[in-house]
Amino acid sequence: GAGVSQSPSNKVTEKGKDVELRCDPISGHTALYWYRQSLGQGLEFLIYFQGNSAPDKSGLPSDRFSAERTGGSVSTLTIQRTQQEDSAVYLCASSPMGRSSTDTQYFGPGTRLTVL
Amino acid sequence: LAKTTQPISMDSYEGQEVNITCSHNNIATNDYITWYQQFPSQGPRFIIQGYKTKVTNEVASLFIPADRKSSTLSLPRVSLSDTAVYYCLVAANQGGKLIFGQGTELSVKP
Repeated sequence: GAGVSQSPSNKVTEKGKDVELRCDPISGHTALYWYRQSLGQGLEFLIYFQGNSAPDKSGLPSDRFSAERTGGSVSTLTIQRTQQEDSAVYLCASSPMGRSSTDTQYFGPGTRLTVL
Repeated sequence: LAKTTQPISMDSYEGQEVNITCSHNNIATNDYITWYQQFPSQGPRFIIQGYKTKVTNEVASLFIPADRKSSTLSLPRVSLSDTAVYYCLVAANQGGKLIFGQGTELSVKP
């Protein structure tokens, strides 16, 4: 079946511009996550959606970052007034249930964001 | 939150068995141990998960001693395509989010 998809695969933008990154999770998955991976670094949690509950935004690095999930499916991560330090690969994942230490997360291929 | 420690890098040759050990001294009673694999330019992929003793699937085996303070991921007869970063995670879902460490970069040579 279809996995997690993300678009665009690559995005180059100028400092100060806003960008929107899209994630299409696996159909039927309740939970959706966003992570960031900077060059040569591990993955950093950003935000987590679980069903209709309020999202866990504890990983968002600043108020320039926001995300929404419409209809419990597609999610959009928005970065306003991008800075060069925002350059990274942004990864989306989904899982069947969430909130469980045994729930497997399925990752998309990521969006590589470059801020010039 | 249990912290994990694993080697930064490992080298191996095709056909060898590779064992990557992860330390997690502060693991809690209800924590599971999960390993993910990440190839360059791809998102991480779930490999295996266990709670205690031994777990085996078509990709790898996971050995967990009785005190659960460490775990070993075993990859049998590695090939060049096993070159990747391997992440050990404990308490994989802290309210949903995964806490990744630096991982072990495995390089398989011909």
